[in-house]
Amino acid sequence: GDSVIQMQGQVTLSENDFLFINCTYSTTGYPTLFWYVQYSGEGPQLLLQVTTANNKGSSRGFEATYDKGTTSFHLQKTSVQEIDSAVYYCAMRERGSSGNKLIFGIGTLLSVKP
Amino acid sequence: GALVYQYPRRTICKSGTSMRMECQAVGFQATSVAWYRQSPQKTFELIALSTVNSAIKYEQNFTQEKFPISHPNLSFSSMTVLNAYLEDRGLYLCGAAGQGGGISNERLFFGHGTKLSVL
Repeated sequence: GDSVIQMQGQVTLSENDFLFINCTYSTTGYPTLFWYVQYSGEGPQLLLQVTTANNKGSSRGFEATYDKGTTSFHLQKTSVQEIDSAVYYCAMRERGSSGNKLIFGIGTLLSVKP
Repeated sequence: GALVYQYPRRTICKSGTSMRMECQAVGFQATSVAWYRQSPQKTFELIALSTVNSAIKYEQNFTQEKFPISHPNLSFSSMTVLNAYLEDRGLYLCGAAGQGGGISNERLFFGHGTKLSVL
């Protein structure tokens, strides 16, 4: 079935470190891919999304490339800050399905130490 | 801007009782609303999709008898957890998509969620 895999449950970094969060997906179609960020006590917020394969999305210094060959959508940031501490969810929506029907990964908790 | 409010933020109910949660869209018309649950140590599971003037579609493992949903207009939706037990605890999220307010109908806006604890 359709799924989104995030292998890292938790990532701990220091400020200005490079961030890489792994995400791979499995589906038969051509999905739209998303990264959501959830800060403590809040609902998830859209960080970035990419609809077309081989395109890159970016926001607030974060970026992710939709790689259809490796079915991946890894999240990267060159230099993380303490305020980036949150849970990051990779998600996908199948093409043609409702805007609300997303499949989420398990989430990766990012902790950035000052 | 487009916002989604959920209330209550937190609630506790006794095992076997029911609990109603509400979702309000502000700044846009929520033509479709999705209810998700995030159980402890798990990711978000879709419970059901509700589109105004259409039947509510429930995902496998979730039923109308357990999670009745109302979506009477373009700004409001509610869901009740009937006969709540320990396995129903978690964060219930409302995600709304729609039109107006300069937003794309592809964009999903989430509320803060309602955290349900069951004693």
